[in-house]
Amino acid sequence: GAGVSQSPSNKVTEKGKDVELRCDPISGHTALYWYRQSLGQGLEFLIYFQGNSAPDKSGLPSDRFSAERTGGSVSTLTIQRTQQEDSAVYLCASSLSPTLDTQYFGPGTRLTVL
Amino acid sequence: SQELEQSPQSLIVQEGKNLTINCTSSKTLYGLYWYKQKYGEGLIFLMMLQKGGEEKSHEKITAKLDEKKQQSSLHITASQPSHAGIYLCGADIRANNLFFGTGTRLTVIP
Repeated sequence: GAGVSQSPSNKVTEKGKDVELRCDPISGHTALYWYRQSLGQGLEFLIYFQGNSAPDKSGLPSDRFSAERTGGSVSTLTIQRTQQEDSAVYLCASSLSPTLDTQYFGPGTRLTVL
Repeated sequence: SQELEQSPQSLIVQEGKNLTINCTSSKTLYGLYWYKQKYGEGLIFLMMLQKGGEEKSHEKITAKLDEKKQQSSLHITASQPSHAGIYLCGADIRANNLFFGTGTRLTVIP
């Protein structure tokens, strides 16, 4: 497909379990962003990857959150020891370059922590 | 089809001028969000509007929501180079799903 894809689309997990969320950006896009949207709130920036540079992790809410981007393409967001407050829609976006290019969003992963 | 349309797509203004960006939805809005993207950064949340007629301001940026028209406007007064970036609207059109507009690229010439 031509757009950003994310998997899974829905994830229900028990408190304390680890989860992995995957993002496939648009081919050729060097910038990749992770956000989350909690109920009734706007997007919260989590982390930003640009090419092979060290990621901007300034938005990660705790050390339970980590992300990788392998080969400058696919990214995985990992949440360890999930808590109920981690329940949200996690959105991934990619853009062509670090300049002011439009971010293209994936469909999101809805995470529910019971 | 695009559920949220923004206009204009691109805007170039002289420093000190006022400007307005519009975001129109083809469906009922349950919440409207404005974001700004700066160089090499993630989206920055500006403000959220939830009720028809609601108006919010932050520094020189004001946003309004017209529920009947399914439209929101973002107005910047006395623009400055620091206002440059891409402005993006997002909306709750279906429960807990955020849809995004097409973005407006703003350039402010000193």
